[in-house]
Amino acid sequence: ETGVTQTPRHLVMGMTNKKSLKCEQHLGHNAMYWYKQSAKKPLELMFVYSLEERVENNSVPSRFSPECPNSSHLFLHLHTLQPEDSALYLCASSQDFFSTQYFGPGTRLTVL
Amino acid sequence: TQLLEQSPQFLSIQEGENLTVYCNSSSVFSSLQWYRQEPGEGPVLLVTVVTGGEVKKLKRLTFQFGDARKDSSLHITAAQPGDTGLYLCAGAYNAGNMLTFGGGTRLMVKP
Repeated sequence: ETGVTQTPRHLVMGMTNKKSLKCEQHLGHNAMYWYKQSAKKPLELMFVYSLEERVENNSVPSRFSPECPNSSHLFLHLHTLQPEDSALYLCASSQDFFSTQYFGPGTRLTVL
Repeated sequence: TQLLEQSPQFLSIQEGENLTVYCNSSSVFSSLQWYRQEPGEGPVLLVTVVTGGEVKKLKRLTFQFGDARKDSSLHITAAQPGDTGLYLCAGAYNAGNMLTFGGGTRLMVKP
């Protein structure tokens, strides 16, 4: 596979569930990002990792927990979410912190 | 909070028509990017502009960066159904990839 892949593509979860979103990039990039895209708000940057270290946590609630075990993989661990957290969660990667970002197709999350 | 205002939010036009999408901020950008996003996909970068007054052309798409680097426009000539999608502008206020996105313009081009 090439580019940036995300799994699952769709996820429905209850407010008490724990789930994880996975992102994998096959581009040899060193920076990875999580974004949230909801119907009512612009695309929002959530987390940035550069060389596997978190460089930005954009005031995201603690019920979202990122993990970057290596430069190719990025996870977003979810627990006790709220219905307003329903959105499209997009992952992106770039060669470094100053280069073009390439986005994955996203995970459509619905919280019941 | 730094805001990027995009207008219009929605645009429905006939094939062959021209259109312009606007992106405005009260703050100065170090660079500005335009993306297109299709249903079920992530945004795809169309262009990056960095110099005030810069104009870039990509086939039928013309991108302009304001002289003061606070605004930008995307003009599409002779729109085609394949241009249908969500157009997003994103600005960086400092060097690096901390992007602030506009709300998007959803374009539909009817055959």
